[in-house]
Amino acid sequence: AQKITQTQPGMFVQEKEAVTLDCTYDTSDPSYGLFWYKQPSSGEMIFLIYQGSYDQQNATEGRYSLNFQKARKSANLVISASQLGDSAMYFCAMRDITTGNQFYFGTGTSLTVIP
Amino acid sequence: ETGVTQTPRHLVMGMTNKKSLKCEQHLGHNAMYWYKQSAKKPLELMFVYSLEERVENNSVPSRFSPECPNSSHLFLHLHTLQPEDSALYLCASSPSRGYQETQYFGPGTRLLVL
Repeated sequence: AQKITQTQPGMFVQEKEAVTLDCTYDTSDPSYGLFWYKQPSSGEMIFLIYQGSYDQQNATEGRYSLNFQKARKSANLVISASQLGDSAMYFCAMRDITTGNQFYFGTGTSLTVIP
Repeated sequence: ETGVTQTPRHLVMGMTNKKSLKCEQHLGHNAMYWYKQSAKKPLELMFVYSLEERVENNSVPSRFSPECPNSSHLFLHLHTLQPEDSALYLCASSPSRGYQETQYFGPGTRLLVL
């Protein structure tokens, strides 16, 4: 079974608007971490934001926030005030105690910011 | 020197060649990883090293051979590769293997096997 599901292969957003990228996950462990990465065309995976399963509040890092809905097992990334440089692939990933060695990555969402 | 570096950034090799990919991390981390990223596929974990000991090998063909001489350096030795091995190879490191630990990635090596 897929551990991470990203259902949006491609998204478009107008510059300066907000956009939400969807991610759902599957684990039976109570302890897990959720991560979002950005991959520009250059290839490097850039860490954006982390949410722990026991965190009471949604994580925020600058223009990035994570909408964590534990009961629904969703961890959507919200990018506010989109910029042209935000155009990239975005990957959701999870790590739990059972698979502590390994990140499970989703298939990614390609975001294009339109001027 | 910052973060995780990888060399070379691009590599073209024939099926009979032997080459090595190098990864170096300057973050003081104890765990290092090799991933393969093929087009339209999720990242695939290949190898995990923790404190220089290999702790995971995800059914990777023997034509890929990892080496971790110390906690800062990781190599991936390549020999007699196949065209389907063409991909982006990413190295990552993390402080440890705990589930809360973020992995930090290098820029990757784009490999083309002819």
